[in-house]
Amino acid sequence: AQRVTQPEKLLSVFKGAPVELKCNYSYSGSPELFWYVQYSRQRLQLLLRHISRESIKGFTADLNKGETSFHLKKPFAQEEDSAMYYCALKSGNTGKLIFGQGTTLQVKP
Amino acid sequence: DTEVTQTPKHLVMGMTNKKSLKCEQHMGHRAMYWYKQKAKKPPELMFVYSYEKLSINESVPSRFSPECPNSSLLNLHLHALQPEDSALYLCASSPGTGASYNYGYTFGSGTRLTVV
Repeated sequence: AQRVTQPEKLLSVFKGAPVELKCNYSYSGSPELFWYVQYSRQRLQLLLRHISRESIKGFTADLNKGETSFHLKKPFAQEEDSAMYYCALKSGNTGKLIFGQGTTLQVKP
Repeated sequence: DTEVTQTPKHLVMGMTNKKSLKCEQHMGHRAMYWYKQKAKKPPELMFVYSYEKLSINESVPSRFSPECPNSSLLNLHLHALQPEDSALYLCASSPGTGASYNYGYTFGSGTRLTVV
């Protein structure tokens, strides 16, 4: 079964602390994984694609096929990072994105 | 133009009404999607259009009727909805659906629908 699991509903950290948002997936083929962010009252935005290995707003994510994980990391959290973060898996050639349940990141001053 | 535009932003409709949601993109994307999102929940796929043809219907009730008049436009026709259909309806687009199209989606800001 194709599934994305984000085990934490809420992650609360202080400004300047490291952040790791966990994402595990279940997929039989070669996965295509994404992180999306939804700031309060704003549209869902693509943050990272595993294929590009880029760093956006200081966030990085590495695909670990052995552990079937795609955790999102940032060394020093900022208050403006507070948002809902979704990990998503693209299902084959259908275009379908399967979303995890999301993790709310709260960065306290 | 790098956006997906959805109208209206808010819609209140009665259970006997007929209304339509509209979605537009001018990025040359050939795949378009409708998602439904309830509060504090992830988006749930409803429909996928690829090259203006319906390719996925996730067992959505027939009171939701999608339409893709051309490659830039996607509509969702609503009829005889129930209060539990109240949600944020999101439109998205991507260059394509195949494995080579791993750019992710561009989402619109959504239509917040309330059924009374």
